[in-house]
This record gives sequence, structure tokens and C-alpha cells, in this order.
Amino acid sequence: DIQMTQSPSSLSASVGDRVTITCRASQSITTYLNWYQQKPGKSPRLLIYGASFLQSGVPLRFSGSGSGTAFTLTISSLQPEDFATYFCQQSFITPYTFGPGTNLEIK
Amino acid sequence: QVQLQESGPGLVKPSETLSLTCNVSGGSVSSGDYYWSWIRQPPGKGLEWIGYFSSRGSTSYNPSLMSRVTMSADTSKNQFSLKLTSMSAADTAVFYCARGSVERKFHFDFWGQGILVTVSP
Repeated sequence: DIQMTQSPSSLSASVGDRVTITCRASQSITTYLNWYQQKPGKSPRLLIYGASFLQSGVPLRFSGSGSGTAFTLTISSLQPEDFATYFCQQSFITPYTFGPGTNLEIK
Repeated sequence: QVQLQESGPGLVKPSETLSLTCNVSGGSVSSGDYYWSWIRQPPGKGLEWIGYFSSRGSTSYNPSLMSRVTMSADTSKNQFSLKLTSMSAADTAVFYCARGSVERKFHFDFWGQGILVTVSP
């Protein structure tokens, strides 16, 4: 299985900050990388697919980049509703696997 | 807008079989190139892909669960289902159904709200 790691595991930031979360794959997944946001008690919400494509309805402050084994999710200016847990997921090969998550908290 | 809704028991006993159903609205489980999936999340933990049943009738399961999993669809009801045998406490989790789309690169674009399944005597 392809192992996904994320850093940091948790992050404290303030409204208006620029935040970057990193995801790494144990082998090359080209750009088969997706990002999801999950709030407590809710199901995950797709933000970015194919490493850099913004899902319809997702604010432009979210962006993704990377290829191969290293990827980033950037939030350009944090808003109060962005405080949540973020997961990356590879869809290069089954079994599809997720990163352990990054918990973004209010400073 | 596609909507998914899980249904099934919230409590199962050890060694029993879990049966969950996902009702789909706003789309058809038998048309297009979609992969109707199950994903689970133990309380406070990460996400694990269980498998999918595709619109074309193929299946793919996570090898870690393959011996215990069966997925199918009922096109007349526009539903798809999951059966997981030999349940144990380690299977306690929120189970989500989701739609997999291959637009550009495979991703899960619509998710159900999730159903908590607890395994306890």
C-alpha cells in the first residue's frame, strides 16, 4: 500500500494567516492527490483533486500544488470557517489511502 | 446535486455481519463512470477506504478487508450496499458512503453524512 504522511499533525494559526500543509507519498503518485476538509461531526468535503484542481464551490483562497511524492495545500488567508482537519488522499492505485490528517486550530 | 444517505444498524454484536445501505438521489448508481464507495473512520482516527462498486458492475476491495467485504447495488432502488462479516470491536467506526469520480483524476466528490456503527455485546 502507498503510505501517506502529513505535516504538521497540528497547527495553530490566526484569521488572515497564510497556511501551508504538506503531504508526502511513499512512492510517486504523479498528481493523483486529493485534499479534503473535515469539521467535527461532519463528513469530509472535497477541496482539491488532481493535486491542483479546485472543486466547484470551494473558495479561491484554497490551492494545491505538487507532483510525484510531495504536495502542499495552501490557504492564502485563513477565515474562521477554515478551522478544521485536513486530509490528503492518493488515488493513484488501490487501495486508496489517506494521510493521518492535519488539525488546524485557532491561535 | 448528488446526495447520499447511509442507513443501517447503529449497534452490532461481535461476530455478526454488518449490512449498510446507501441511498443515492440526484444521480444514478447504474449510469456514468462512477465508483460507489465505502469509507470508514474509527472515532478520533483517520479514514480508511473499504472498497467500491462501480456503475459498470465491477468491484474493488481493500485487501485488508477483502475476505470480509461484499458490495453490491440495487439499481431499482438506486442504492448500493456494504456487507462486512465477522465484526469485532476494531470495526467500530463511522461508515461513509461516497461517490468516486474519474473526472481528470479519481476523487470522492460527494459523501453521505455517515453512520456510527458500534460493535458491542
